[in-house]
Amino acid sequence: RKEVEQDPGPFNVPEGATVAFNCTYSNSASQSFFWYRQDCRKEPKLLMSVYSSGNEDGRFTAQLNRASQYISLLIRDSKLSDSATYLCVVTHNTNAGKSTFGDGTTLTVKP
Amino acid sequence: DTEVTQTPKHLVMGMTNKKSLKCEQHMGHRAMYWYKQKAKKPPELMFVYSYEKLSINESVPSRFSPECPNSSLLNLHLHALQPEDSALYLCASSQGMGREFPIGFGEGSWLTVV
Repeated sequence: RKEVEQDPGPFNVPEGATVAFNCTYSNSASQSFFWYRQDCRKEPKLLMSVYSSGNEDGRFTAQLNRASQYISLLIRDSKLSDSATYLCVVTHNTNAGKSTFGDGTTLTVKP
Repeated sequence: DTEVTQTPKHLVMGMTNKKSLKCEQHMGHRAMYWYKQKAKKPPELMFVYSYEKLSINESVPSRFSPECPNSSLLNLHLHALQPEDSALYLCASSQGMGREFPIGFGEGSWLTVV
């Protein structure tokens, strides 16, 4: 079983739709969680950190469920520019801060 | 705009060549990383430097040789590479190696081995 698992998609949604991605992790010692966005042939960029209390940044909301060991990313009112691959990243204190990447979920927002 | 600068952006090299990838950051970050990314795959960690010392080597073949000349610079020396080493090489940095520090990537160097 992979340490970090994501639904690869692809998710194809119309503009204005709400879409949610989940990411599960297997190491209960995992401590920090992040969502990155990667556009085609570009570098990954930090989208947001994920906290136990959840956090929101405009149309994006991230949640952490430690009991079930998953994190989620909700995108409301999807824009064409949201089309990208979304990478879930998990770090844990037993591995000197080494980050583990999920395989990514591809989102395409269509007009 | 990324605050981690990588050069060159594109590199084509033969299997007998020696070349280097360079990375620079001026944010005072104490941890720097090299990742390799193949198409449709996530970034794969190669090396981590913390306070200019190599702290993680993910069993990378010796044809890849990292170097950290100072706290702002990170190099990846390449020698006798194979065509399967063709990939996007990403440099990244973070404030520290603590679990709470997200990493920020440079734009990457596209490497083609012929």
